[in-house]
Amino acid sequence: GAVVSQHPSWVICKSGTSVKIECRSLDFQATTMFWYRQFPKQSLMLMATSNEGSKATYEQGVEKDKFLINHASLTLSTLTVTSAHPEDSSFYICSASRLEDNTGELFFGEGSRLTVL
Amino acid sequence: GESVGLHLPTLSVQEGDNSIINCAYSNSASDYFIWYKQESGKGPQFIIDIRSNMDKRQGQRVTVLLNKTVKHLSLQIAATQPGDSAVYFCAEKAGGYNKLIFGAGTRLAVHP
Repeated sequence: GAVVSQHPSWVICKSGTSVKIECRSLDFQATTMFWYRQFPKQSLMLMATSNEGSKATYEQGVEKDKFLINHASLTLSTLTVTSAHPEDSSFYICSASRLEDNTGELFFGEGSRLTVL
Repeated sequence: GESVGLHLPTLSVQEGDNSIINCAYSNSASDYFIWYKQESGKGPQFIIDIRSNMDKRQGQRVTVLLNKTVKHLSLQIAATQPGDSAVYFCAEKAGGYNKLIFGAGTRLAVHP
């Protein structure tokens, strides 16, 4: 149990276009989902915290108008990279905490690799 | 973001040896710590966790040690195997906050 799925797993787009990445909890309800970005040979950097039915909380330095997050249901959060540019090319990873858990454990998706040409 | 964007250090070990991967965490209020393994092109995989009321926790072939005095965490892997080759991250969470902050990571390279 506790599977988190991301789609697409990889995407290539032209500069200036917008790209949407989905994060789904397949067999549990997620109160909170987190979006991370990871550049090559670096650590995961938390971008934002997404709570179902409310606005996302963004980390310092992350542009909320650039990275739109929607958490419309307890099983789905989406990240839209608007007007993507080559510097947005990265590995985007989501994670989710289970509604019934108070352990703090997070379950991670397999990541989505974005390449902006 | 709060995580450190440094290039990854590498630990090279021989197959069968024990590996020790270290991590310094930043927040003295952190009370929950997790070690993750990440293989190339994949998401992080949970290895073992420990709460701040413990100093040591053992799993299958892995042991996590926590030293709160110096804010240090270590992961010990016994009898390291080629399949253990990956990048290892420690992550911390402060009580009252449910966001997980990742450390810089260490690449483990296991040689036959």
